[in-house]
Amino acid sequence: AQSVTQPDARVTVSEGASLQLRCKYSYSATPYLFWYVQYPRQGLQLLLKYYSGDPVVQGVNSFEAEFSKSNSSFHLQKASVHWSDSAVYFCALSLIITGNTGKLIFGLGTTLQVQP
Amino acid sequence: EAAVTQSPRSKVAVTGGKVTLSCHQTNNHDYMYWYRQDTGHGLRLIHYSYVADSTEKGDIPDGYKASRPSQENFSLILELASLSQTAVYFCASSDWGSSYEQYFGPGTRLTVL
Repeated sequence: AQSVTQPDARVTVSEGASLQLRCKYSYSATPYLFWYVQYPRQGLQLLLKYYSGDPVVQGVNSFEAEFSKSNSSFHLQKASVHWSDSAVYFCALSLIITGNTGKLIFGLGTTLQVQP
Repeated sequence: EAAVTQSPRSKVAVTGGKVTLSCHQTNNHDYMYWYRQDTGHGLRLIHYSYVADSTEKGDIPDGYKASRPSQENFSLILELASLSQTAVYFCASSDWGSSYEQYFGPGTRLTVL
């Protein structure tokens, strides 16, 4: 069955440190993958997306993600985090329901806490 | 300007009462979705729609109805609210097929007492 797994429920890093948030997916077809961020009391905002091509995709606010078909992974990275990056991060997979409709399957999310 | 808006932003309802959550989008998207978010469950799809006057069941439709009277508006209806429906509800829109990302509203925090 199609699924998205974010193995780390919570990650704590120091400001200025590098970051990797892990995402594994299970899907037999070509995946369309996304990372969303949710700040407290807000909706989800798109950070970046992968459809095809270069496996490293750039997103907003210096985030990037690397797609690996062999590992079924789409890990999110940032070279130097800021306290304002503290939020919940969701990995998502676009799934075809019928020929012309689809939906997103979300992981459970990873809460990132950046310590000063 | 916010392209997906939801009303109300928060609501307290009584068990057995009727609750209507509203969503409005100005993205000119055909697809609209309703999700609920619970701690430990992430986001789960309740209902979706890809054309006005038509709705489809998502993964957890029981206890919910949806209505899509126009391309811009999509409502979620709880005919008999229950304690288990306490959650945060998100609406989203998408131009699925040409691009696959979804654009989310700010959410409605529903508390059923």
